[in-house]
Formats: sequence, structure tokens, C-alpha cells
Amino acid sequence: EADIYQTPRYLVIGTGKKITLECSQTMGHDKMYWYQQDPGMELHLIHYSYGVNSTEKGDLSSESTVSRIRTEHFPLTLESARPSHTSQYLCASSVGATRSYNEQFFGPGTRLTVL
Amino acid sequence: GNSVTQMEGPVTLSEEAFLTINCTYTATGYPSLFWYVQYPGEGLQLLLKATKADDKGSNKGFEATYRKETTSFHLEKGSVQVSDSAVYFCALSSNQAGTALIFGKGTTLSVSS
Repeated sequence: EADIYQTPRYLVIGTGKKITLECSQTMGHDKMYWYQQDPGMELHLIHYSYGVNSTEKGDLSSESTVSRIRTEHFPLTLESARPSHTSQYLCASSVGATRSYNEQFFGPGTRLTVL
Repeated sequence: GNSVTQMEGPVTLSEEAFLTINCTYTATGYPSLFWYVQYPGEGLQLLLKATKADDKGSNKGFEATYRKETTSFHLEKGSVQVSDSAVYFCALSSNQAGTALIFGKGTTLSVSS
């Protein structure tokens, strides 16, 4: 069973607040990802990391930022939340380049609502 | 570029009905293919996978066969249950080191008793 955790599970905040969504995995995976899931359920890759001190932007432009200081931890930060940031955020991880098929393990998600 | 197209939902079935959710892909080389499932309020879980042509992935009564000639990976189940109600995502990995999965848009399945 995958061990990847996200906190908080639900968050309701006001516009302009700074927030950090936490994601941790205990599997020692090199690669980690953040997806934004819209109400139609489609997934959009917004950030990914191939290892410590490596971060890249994904396919969907996002005002969020990420950091990867430790292998197991991949937090996502919004400096000033807006209603347009209301969404479900999913974190995932996968084994590094030694496994070719890139199976990803997902956390339970954070449902963010910005008022 | 690589892409995944899956049938749009929602799909509504009665319990014990046969399920097919179509998935086709466009990719160079020999991708690996996946089906993920998302139950309400949860993250995605890997349902099954196939890493080469003609492989059949199976799990929990679901099956999908990697068909390179038709670039398809259709999900099937012979008899669905109410507990199968969820969103199903088809995805591919290009097998190049360091690439993320490419997901289809998801298909919502609702099964009624």
C-alpha cells in the first residue's frame, strides 16, 4: 500500500491569505508531482520534481510555487490565494528513472476553497 | 505529442451490467498504459497496468488489453457493482526517464442497484 500523505484534507480560507499544502511520502521515491483537478475531474500537472533541489513547472500554468528540500517532502505554496484557486490538489510520487513505466502513487488530495 | 482520449461520461449502469470504457492513445515508441480509479473524496488508485503490446492487466474483475494495432486500452468488467461507482482515468507513460503520466479526462461511472 502506498504511503503518501496530504494535509490538510479540506481548507476554506479568505482571499489574500498565504497557504501551504503539505505532501509527504515514506517510500523514498525520487519523483513527486502536483496536480490540479478541476470540477470536471480532469487532471492538470502543475509542478513536478525529479529529486532534491529539482522543481519544474507542469503543463498548466499556476501561480503556486513548490520546493523540494527533502526527498520525502514536496509542499505547495500559494502566496496570495484567490477564488480562482478553488480546486482539488493531488500530490503523487513515483520511483525514479530505474523503473521505466513511471507508476504513480497518489495522496488523498486537498480540497481548497477560497472565499 | 503523446495524448490519451477516453470516452466521455457519465456512464450509468444497473448492477451486474457489462462495462466498457474506451481509451485510445497517441504516442511514439512503446508506452506503458494504466487505468486509475478515483472514489468520491479520495485520491487516485492504480487499478491495473500493461507495459507492452498484448499484455492484459487485470484487477478486481476489471480487465484491459494493450492493443498496439488499434492504439487502444479499453477497460472492461463483466458484472459491475454499486461499489464500482467512481471516476476512471486512462493514462500513459512514454517510458522515457523522467516523464510524467499523461491522463485522459476521466469517465464517471454510476452504478445503481
